Amino acid sequence: GENVEQHPSTLSVQEGDSAVIKCTYSDSASNYFPWYKQELGKRPQLIIDIRSNVGEKKDQRIAVTLNKTAKHFSLHITETQPEDSAVYFCAATQNFGNEKLTFGTGTRLTIIP
Amino acid sequence: DGGITQSPKYLFRKEGQNVTLSCEQNLNHDAMYWYRQDPGQGLRLIYYSQIVNDFQKGDIAEGYSVSREKKESFPLTVTSAQKNPTAFYLCASSLAGNYGYTFGSGTRLTVV
Repeated sequence: GENVEQHPSTLSVQEGDSAVIKCTYSDSASNYFPWYKQELGKRPQLIIDIRSNVGEKKDQRIAVTLNKTAKHFSLHITETQPEDSAVYFCAATQNFGNEKLTFGTGTRLTIIP
Repeated sequence: DGGITQSPKYLFRKEGQNVTLSCEQNLNHDAMYWYRQDPGQGLRLIYYSQIVNDFQKGDIAEGYSVSREKKESFPLTVTSAQKNPTAFYLCASSLAGNYGYTFGSGTRLTVV
C-alpha cells in the first residue's frame, strides 16, 4: 500500500517569511495529493490539492508543487500570518473512485509574531 | 455544522467495555471513513465504506467494527479487543469522483 512521509514534524517561522513542508510517497500510481490544515481543537480542512497531470497549483498565498519522477510534493506558504499556525497534513491516493487517503504524520507550523 | 456530525465529543470507556461512536452526514456523500489520530502519528485509517452495506478494513482495523446500513450513517464500535483505544477519532465523507474529504469534529475517547 501507499506510504507517505512528511517533513519537518515541527516548523517555526517569523511572521511574513515563507514556510515549506515536504512529503514523499511510495506508490507511483498515486495521482491525487491534497493538503489539510487542522487548527487546535478543530477538524482538518482541505486547503489545496493537486492532481498528477499538473506540476504546480496556487491559491493566493499557498501553493503546491509536485515532482512525479521523484515522488514528492510540497506545500509553500508565503507572507505567513499568525492565523497560519496549525498542523498541516499531506495525503495521497489513486484516482479510481472513492479511494482512501493515506496521510502523512503532520507538521506543526508556528508563526512567530 | 459542516454537514457531518460526530457524537459524543468526549467519551470515557472502562476496561473491557465496547463503545460506539456515531457519525452522521447530510451531504449525500457516497463514501465514509473512520480515522484515528494520535500525537505524532497523523491520521490512520480504520475502516471505510464506499456504498451502503459494504465496507473495507483500513490499516488498523483490529479491535474495531463498523456498519453501513444507511447512506447517512457509519457508526464505529471500539471493542474490548482494542488494547490501546485512547485516541481522537475522526469521521469523514466524500462524494463519488470527488476526493476532498469533509471531516466531522471528532470524538475523543479515553479509557479509564
